[in-house]
Amino acid sequence: SQQGEEDPQALSIQEGENATMNCSYKTSINNLQWYRQNSGRGLVHLILIRSNEREKHSGRLRVTLDTSKKSSSLLITASRAADTASYFCATVGSGSARQLTFGSGTQLTVLP
Amino acid sequence: ETGVTQTPRHLVMGMTNKKSLKCEQHLGHNAMYWYKQSAKKPLELMFVYSLEERVENNSVPSRFSPECPNSSHLFLHLHTLQPEDSALYLCASSQDHRTGGQPQHFGDGTRLSIL
Repeated sequence: SQQGEEDPQALSIQEGENATMNCSYKTSINNLQWYRQNSGRGLVHLILIRSNEREKHSGRLRVTLDTSKKSSSLLITASRAADTASYFCATVGSGSARQLTFGSGTQLTVLP
Repeated sequence: ETGVTQTPRHLVMGMTNKKSLKCEQHLGHNAMYWYKQSAKKPLELMFVYSLEERVENNSVPSRFSPECPNSSHLFLHLHTLQPEDSALYLCASSQDHRTGGQPQHFGDGTRLSIL
């Protein structure tokens, strides 16, 4: 069953603006990961946040995690045209399952 | 360059054909995965191999047959496919499947079209 659900499904912004994407999930997690997929390419891992962490940064990326609300957000600051891609959250459950469960993704378009 | 190479990049086949998808990872990882990505749907995990042993098979039809001869190579053998099997097939690897939730490294996929 689908675990992560991204919101919005599509987002269009101007270059230089910030982009925020949200992910909600249903069951308790061990960690949550964000991936990017450029058109016609595979997924690229961006950042991993563990269930006991609340915020993490990597360059222009900022990820937050609220386990009480079962939600996460990905913020891309000062966006660039090259950030145009689909962004997926993926969760790893806190039980014995080790697999990643992906959401349907947010399609981000950054206009020059 | 992600360290995971998939061939072919594109494949068109009839429903009665037999073909194979190949994946090779150059990262020294112990776990490899096959995913199916269809339009407007989340990635679907198909198979997981850890140290060449299949550890998960997510109710995949038998017309898909995986093979992992060593920890660097993974194949997906296809036969008698259906039109709904048209999708992007992604291979991924991670350092160790037993330690849950490690980042996965993906190849660029094989775009499969069934006529």
